[in-house]
Amino acid sequence: NAGVTQTPKFRVLKTGQSMTLLCAQDMNHEYMYWYRQDPGMGLRLIHYSVGEGTTAKGEVPDGYNVSRLKKQNFLLGLESAAPSQTSVYFCARRREYGYTFGSGTRLTVV
Amino acid sequence: AQSVTQLGSHVSVSEGALVLLRCNYSSSVPPYLFWYVQYPNQGLQLLLKYTTGATLVKGINGFEAEFKKSETSFHLTKPSAHMSDAAEYFCAVSDRYGGSQGNLIFGKGTKLSVKP
Repeated sequence: NAGVTQTPKFRVLKTGQSMTLLCAQDMNHEYMYWYRQDPGMGLRLIHYSVGEGTTAKGEVPDGYNVSRLKKQNFLLGLESAAPSQTSVYFCARRREYGYTFGSGTRLTVV
Repeated sequence: AQSVTQLGSHVSVSEGALVLLRCNYSSSVPPYLFWYVQYPNQGLQLLLKYTTGATLVKGINGFEAEFKKSETSFHLTKPSAHMSDAAEYFCAVSDRYGGSQGNLIFGKGTKLSVKP
């Protein structure tokens, strides 16, 4: 999935720990999105950004924070991880109606 | 608000048989519609999309989908299934006039199994 890079690819956290997931694009597209994927639920929007310095809540924002200090990077933070946040996280960017997804981060909270 | 319903969380077909994965959407405006495929432990790959123009859209790997406004459907088909088609398929609609700035609203997915 050239164009959008997610780090890390895998992570195991203990309940209550914090972490930041990084999404980096190789262009300067305005629109970026964070999704979580859970079995049988499809992908659901956590937060999104319409440009540098702007973020907004999506469908399932609780327990997450985001920042977009640079246009290329969209960070997703978990301040105090919970087992319910065990999921696969995908970042995407949009240019008009072409979407590019990252390869995902598989997070397990124990 | 837009929404997507995929009928059937699991579909099983024999190799060489027709693949039909159903997707219905709800939208108050002309929709932009997408099909994605996800192979196990991998990311999302775009199969095809409909924005404007011809309602029959051809995608990669021999898949196609037809936008039917009167039926609010965008079903995905492939004439002859191959073992390599086994994957999970997601239909999505773009929330292009909604509050989330073009966010993709996904269906819950359909897992396709292909029997030899």
